Amino acid sequence: KAGVTQTPRYLIKTRGQQVTLSCSPISGHRSVSWYQQTPGQGLQFLFEYFSETQRNKGNFPGRFSGRQFSNSRSEMNVSTLELGDSALYLCASSLDRVGAFFGQGTRLTVV
Amino acid sequence: GENVEQHPSTLSVQEGDSAVIKCTYSDSASNYFPWYKQELGKRPQLIIDIRSNVGEKKDQRIAVTLNKTAKHFSLHITETQPEDSAVYFCAASRSFGNEKLTFGTGTRLTIIP
Repeated sequence: KAGVTQTPRYLIKTRGQQVTLSCSPISGHRSVSWYQQTPGQGLQFLFEYFSETQRNKGNFPGRFSGRQFSNSRSEMNVSTLELGDSALYLCASSLDRVGAFFGQGTRLTVV
Repeated sequence: GENVEQHPSTLSVQEGDSAVIKCTYSDSASNYFPWYKQELGKRPQLIIDIRSNVGEKKDQRIAVTLNKTAKHFSLHITETQPEDSAVYFCAASRSFGNEKLTFGTGTRLTIIP
């Protein structure tokens, strides 16, 4: 069974631009969560989607948004990028209430 | 909201010795406590988890203990090997899966050959 797949693996963007990251969960997993990982703040929860609905949300500004499609694939969007948004963005999928398995992440660099 | 504290931040142990990493949590409603291992440049991998109705769980050389009264849980690795070198994260959640995991700050474990 394929694992969680995130694309792209690396991105370089300029301040003020927007970016969209994609996550394909493990087949059959309906819950997808997004996390931001930075050396200073560690792993921080962004939001979680289940059956196309946002079920939980972390403490990030409205520039961070997401969505989930009917096939459980999820996208995360960050608008008006700031230097501080540079991070590894990790997606995790779960067979609802049974563990959380991470993808390789997308490393975003904002210059 | 939930707060998870993890200690120590770095830990070096001789190969073959045991390593213990401790976490405390603040939300008494948390009932799921996974541990992740992250090697350099790789994804966090779920290595073991425990639910609040269980006090201890073991998987080969890895064990986790939970004290709900004191709100702390620990990861124990016995007979450590060089491949155990990584950053370990504890986490806590009100549910058993993917819903809003709150992570500790990580422990960098180095196994000295």
